[in-house]
Amino acid sequence: DGGITQSPKYLFRKEGQNVTLSCEQNLNHDAMYWYRQDPGQGLRLIYYSQIVNDFQKGDIAEGYSVSREKKESFPLTVTSAQKNPTAFYLCAVRAGGHTGELFFGEGSRLTVL
Amino acid sequence: KNQVEQSPQSLIILEGKNCTLQCNYTVSPFSNLRWYKQDTGRGPVSLTIMTFSENTKSNGRYTATLDADTKQSSLHITASQLSDSASYICVVSDVYGNNRLAFGKGNQVVVIP
Repeated sequence: DGGITQSPKYLFRKEGQNVTLSCEQNLNHDAMYWYRQDPGQGLRLIYYSQIVNDFQKGDIAEGYSVSREKKESFPLTVTSAQKNPTAFYLCAVRAGGHTGELFFGEGSRLTVL
Repeated sequence: KNQVEQSPQSLIILEGKNCTLQCNYTVSPFSNLRWYKQDTGRGPVSLTIMTFSENTKSNGRYTATLDADTKQSSLHITASQLSDSASYICVVSDVYGNNRLAFGKGNQVVVIP
């Protein structure tokens, strides 16, 4: 089945803990993105990667970290330094070309208790 | 800062009726505009993408229009169905690529029987 797989779908975390959200794709595209979605707000870019072993900070990177060791995988770690981590996290993959289609995963909802 | 404003924030419509959602943007230089549908708790799914030279594009019962001169777009839903209940997100890209997309906050549509 082709597409983008995010896991887990729901995650609960205690304050002070780091958590890692998984994003795997089999679309064979290079560019991958992590967005954060909060109620009543537009999506905000956390990190993006245009190629393996390279990634760039987005608008709200503080308290987050990523890696891109494989083309298929772009995991996001929410660290204890993130002050307000409760949110819906979306991974996206962009097809090639200037107007390349942006495909989203199903999202991961993180709740900090 | 590039901005995308959507209106109305939310609306309720009767099944079978039509509705129109608005998107105004200030992104410059403009490249393309996309409309996405996001069901509650799911990832956004692309409906249409339009470049500067296109002023209308349809996808089934969804028709998007673009006026690049006034920097306005609309999404028209014809003969609404209960499954149209969702958030509709307007996303605008400048010519520098997808790494800095501007997202609107969405139009929340509820279709009632």
